[in-house]
Amino acid sequence: DTAVSQTPKYLVTQMGNDKSIKCEQNLGHDTMYWYKQDSKKFLKIMFSYNNKELIINETVPNRFSPKSPDKAHLNLHINSLELGDSAVYFCASSPRGVAGSGNTRYFGEGSWLTVV
Amino acid sequence: GESVGLHLPTLSVQEGDNSIINCAYSNSASDYFIWYKQESGKGPQFIIDIRSNMDKRQGQRVTVLLNKTVKHLSLQIAATQPGDSAVYFCAENSGGSNYKLTFGKGTLLTVNP
Repeated sequence: DTAVSQTPKYLVTQMGNDKSIKCEQNLGHDTMYWYKQDSKKFLKIMFSYNNKELIINETVPNRFSPKSPDKAHLNLHINSLELGDSAVYFCASSPRGVAGSGNTRYFGEGSWLTVV
Repeated sequence: GESVGLHLPTLSVQEGDNSIINCAYSNSASDYFIWYKQESGKGPQFIIDIRSNMDKRQGQRVTVLLNKTVKHLSLQIAATQPGDSAVYFCAENSGGSNYKLTFGKGTLLTVNP
């Protein structure tokens, strides 16, 4: 069983479209995250949710809207896609939202988004 | 190859040698640090972590050293194997109780057989 699963794995779409990436974790974790990894492999946090509540929003354009229907799911919806949105988007989860030994962050396999 | 155009720091070692990957972190208030390994086409995978009240922690074939004075973290991999080839990231919790992990630039480790 995959611990953190994202769909789709690959997405090619045109500028201006709206798209969603879904994420589910079956680990029973309280906290979920979205990260963006650019072409230089730089990983930057976008959002963090703890028990369905937004706790981190890192100056991401409001074209990006996360939605957490329950604590096992955190979806990312992107409106009016731009060329600069092309990246790999990673979902992650951790047992709780507080740092500590053993509170490891588990990542999904990534969703490769290409905007043309 | 994968490294073309990435401009990542790179480290190339022979199989069986020890590897040391270095990381300078930015926030002197960071209290928790993690090393991740990212293989090609996959998500980052936890390797080892360390709290700021420690200066060394050992795992299986890996050791993390923390020097808070100079804000430096290192990952030592003993007897490096071809399966260790990946991009390695250090990450610091700079958000206090909000557990905001900030990732470093990443180092590409290539192990030559």
